[in-house]
Amino acid sequence: SAVISQKPSRDICQRGTSLTIQCQVDSQVTMMFWYRQQPGQSLTLIATANQGSEATYESGFVIDKFPISRPNLTFSTLTVSNMSPEDSSIYLCSVGSVTSYNEQFFGPGTRLTVL
Amino acid sequence: EDQVTQSPEALRLQEGESSSLNCSYTVSGLRGLFWYRQDPGKGPEFLFTLYSAGEEKEKERLKATLTKKESFLHITAPKPEDSATYLCAVRGDDKIIFGKGTRLHILP
Repeated sequence: SAVISQKPSRDICQRGTSLTIQCQVDSQVTMMFWYRQQPGQSLTLIATANQGSEATYESGFVIDKFPISRPNLTFSTLTVSNMSPEDSSIYLCSVGSVTSYNEQFFGPGTRLTVL
Repeated sequence: EDQVTQSPEALRLQEGESSSLNCSYTVSGLRGLFWYRQDPGKGPEFLFTLYSAGEEKEKERLKATLTKKESFLHITAPKPEDSATYLCAVRGDDKIIFGKGTRLHILP
């Protein structure tokens, strides 16, 4: 399984600011995924990031609010823009296994608190 | 609409007391059902994939089973280190949907 790291592990931000979360994988992967896990809620897919193409966003998520970069096969960033307290959540990146992207491996997450 | 419901929300067991967690799902064209374990402050850890009704998978004290409407995660003689939140997810024709999880606490 892939080893995934995220930076920062946690942050406290002011309303109206932006935060960029980094995700690094120890092997080359085609697809990377960004999830949000709000307190008491299930994991929700924000977008799928493929290297060399625009990210694909799920219903309810837009590029202006959550811009994503995927400059190479081992790295991606998610920016949470113009933050409000409702954006307080854990943000997780994940990658699929070698045999099936359905079996996903997750990073440790970034715990974001917006004041 | 695709949906995943896990029950109970929380479960407290004595060490050695076996039990089962439930994952009920409604999905068009099931392409896989997944179980994950999530410890506090960490990302989910992949446990099992089940693809068809009747399939079973085992790992140490955990056994996952699948029917056409639900999956069970059976925990046999659990230990305190099995305490975690267990997440169920399903993939249909569209995307992967996660349940809210069951918080399992094993008392020594």
